[in-house]
Amino acid sequence: DTAVSQTPKYLVTQMGNDKSIKCEQNLGHDTMYWYKQDSKKFLKIMFSYNNKELIINETVPNRFSPKSPDKAHLNLHINSLELGDSAVYFCASSQGQGYYNEQFFGPGTRLTVL
Amino acid sequence: DAKTTQPNSMESNEEEPVHLPCNHSTISGTDYIHWYRQLPSQGPEYVIHGLTSNVNNRMASLAIAEDRKSSTLILHRATLRDAAVYYCILRGPGIRGGSNYKLTFGKGTLLTVNP
Repeated sequence: DTAVSQTPKYLVTQMGNDKSIKCEQNLGHDTMYWYKQDSKKFLKIMFSYNNKELIINETVPNRFSPKSPDKAHLNLHINSLELGDSAVYFCASSQGQGYYNEQFFGPGTRLTVL
Repeated sequence: DAKTTQPNSMESNEEEPVHLPCNHSTISGTDYIHWYRQLPSQGPEYVIHGLTSNVNNRMASLAIAEDRKSSTLILHRATLRDAAVYYCILRGPGIRGGSNYKLTFGKGTLLTVNP
């Protein structure tokens, strides 16, 4: 069974379009995250939700809007896509927000904006 | 955020032990030392974490210096599957939503395992 899954795995789209990436975890965790890995391979957190409440919102453009319909899902919607949004997006989850907690990552969604 | 310093790359031979170093001279007394790795084309994967004492699990061992200013991740017998980027990350208590609730990834160490 896949612990953290993301769809789609690959996403190719034109500049200006709106797209969504979905994430689901079946670990029973209460905290979920979105990370972005750019072309230089730097991994950086974007958002974190705990029990459907936003707790971390890094300096991310307003075009990015996370939505957590329930504790098991955290989706990422991106409006007006730009070339610089091309990256691999990883979803992750953990039980609690503690600094000692292990985070489980999904396989990633490679977004290419043309 | 407390910073870590790791070599950019290391090389090992299959079935030999690998010692991956990490320096964290500004670590605070409550910071945990976490290690994650990222295999090619995959998401990061938790390896191990510790506070003061050395730690062992099925994947690796973590040796923490007495002054906690450095640590070493030990893979006892490297396999080709261990070829990955290894990240040493410090996490400590912070305010709700503060910087230490997240994982702050650096450049990591690219481990190459030769057959």
